[in-house]
Amino acid sequence: GEDVEQSLFLSVREGDSSVINCTYTDSSSTYLYWYKQEPGAGLQLLTYIFSNMDMKQDQRLTVLLNKKDKHLSLRIADTQTGDSAIYFCAERNQGNTDKLIFGTGTRLQVFP
Amino acid sequence: DTEVTQTPKHLVMGMTNKKSLKCEQHMGHRAMYWYKQKAKKPPELMFVYSYEKLSINESVPSRFSPECPNSSLLNLHLHALQPEDSALYLCASSQDGLGSQPQHFGDGTRLSIL
Repeated sequence: GEDVEQSLFLSVREGDSSVINCTYTDSSSTYLYWYKQEPGAGLQLLTYIFSNMDMKQDQRLTVLLNKKDKHLSLRIADTQTGDSAIYFCAERNQGNTDKLIFGTGTRLQVFP
Repeated sequence: DTEVTQTPKHLVMGMTNKKSLKCEQHMGHRAMYWYKQKAKKPPELMFVYSYEKLSINESVPSRFSPECPNSSLLNLHLHALQPEDSALYLCASSQDGLGSQPQHFGDGTRLSIL
């Protein structure tokens, strides 16, 4: 199947860490991506990870991949109000060379 | 700022009108994509062009007609649309269309069908 699931909503206090989770069902996924969408805007690529890695860090962002459980997470350190947006994970699998399957999206709200 | 430019940003049209959405990138990418995104939903792939040839058509109705005049430009021609076609239309590009490089998105065209 091609289901990618995310929790709908996450609320965090400014300065705390945020962890956004994603589960997928296709074990042949090769690349997994995180995109950010602010209101009225397109999708901004945040980071991505190849399936032979289990962790990738990029400044405030840390991606963890658990292939056994088909679980992907995005940790945002020192969350700021500007991080408020919808976050989508997406997978690309070997069966469809150029098709991204997006998760349902998680709305992150950061309060002061 | 996005390196994929879409015009217009907003479009309102009647069901009998003909209009076109435009997308441009100057990153030297050879693959370009059209996605449709309804409110509070993830984007859904419509079309993929790879090296100016249509490589994926996700069973999109014929009232949507894509065109790729050259490697930098992608159009989506619209005719006889229905109210349910109102959505955000996103264009994206990637380096080679082989899936090893990420897709970069424009800010979209918000389309409203009256």
